[in-house]
Amino acid sequence: GGIITQTPKFLIGQEGQKLTLKCQQNFNHDTMYWYRQDSGKGLRLIYYSITENDLQKGDLSEGYDASREKKSSFSLTVTSAQKNEMAVFLCASSFGTNTGQLYFGEGSKLTVL
Amino acid sequence: GDSVTQTEGQVALSEEDFLTIHCNYSASGYPTLFWYVQYPGEGPQLLFRASRDKEKGSSRGFEATYDKGTTSFHLRKASVQESDSAVYYCALSANTGYQNFYFGKGTSLTVIP
Repeated sequence: GGIITQTPKFLIGQEGQKLTLKCQQNFNHDTMYWYRQDSGKGLRLIYYSITENDLQKGDLSEGYDASREKKSSFSLTVTSAQKNEMAVFLCASSFGTNTGQLYFGEGSKLTVL
Repeated sequence: GDSVTQTEGQVALSEEDFLTIHCNYSASGYPTLFWYVQYPGEGPQLLFRASRDKEKGSSRGFEATYDKGTTSFHLRKASVQESDSAVYYCALSANTGYQNFYFGKGTSLTVIP
């Protein structure tokens, strides 16, 4: 089996700060995703990448940047943290086939003071 | 566009009660349908999936049947246990040339012993 590792698990930032979350997978999956999880709103796609150096915007990409420099890693940057923001960011990966499942990391919880 | 609707936001049951969480979808063709479960402090994990009309997915006593006629994939369990307390997400994977997932808003299940 494989694993998806997200770092850091908890991130505290200041308003206006640029903050970066990292994700590593050892499944050898082609496609990787970043989702934002808010209570009552489900999982909303921020960015995804279908291969190394590819980036595609999801529905919630405004205010975020992403980078896929290696097949195994996918990072997400909050370009300017919003005051009192609190959310969980989930990284996931899949083979990219029609019936394939998503494998998720444990999440990174962001708190902005 | 493609979407998933989960009717129940929060469900509270006693042990041994019957569970139904409603999931309806909107998509063209034959998307793959999924149920994911998320326990506290963890990322979502696949419960099961179904890819064809009338196909039943099942795992750990949970089951759902793909119904293209009513565009539904309702989650059921005959007798819930306290350990089933978690958030449940219905999702679909659209056949758009790459694998994109659409999630419902999630249902938080609390089982009271």
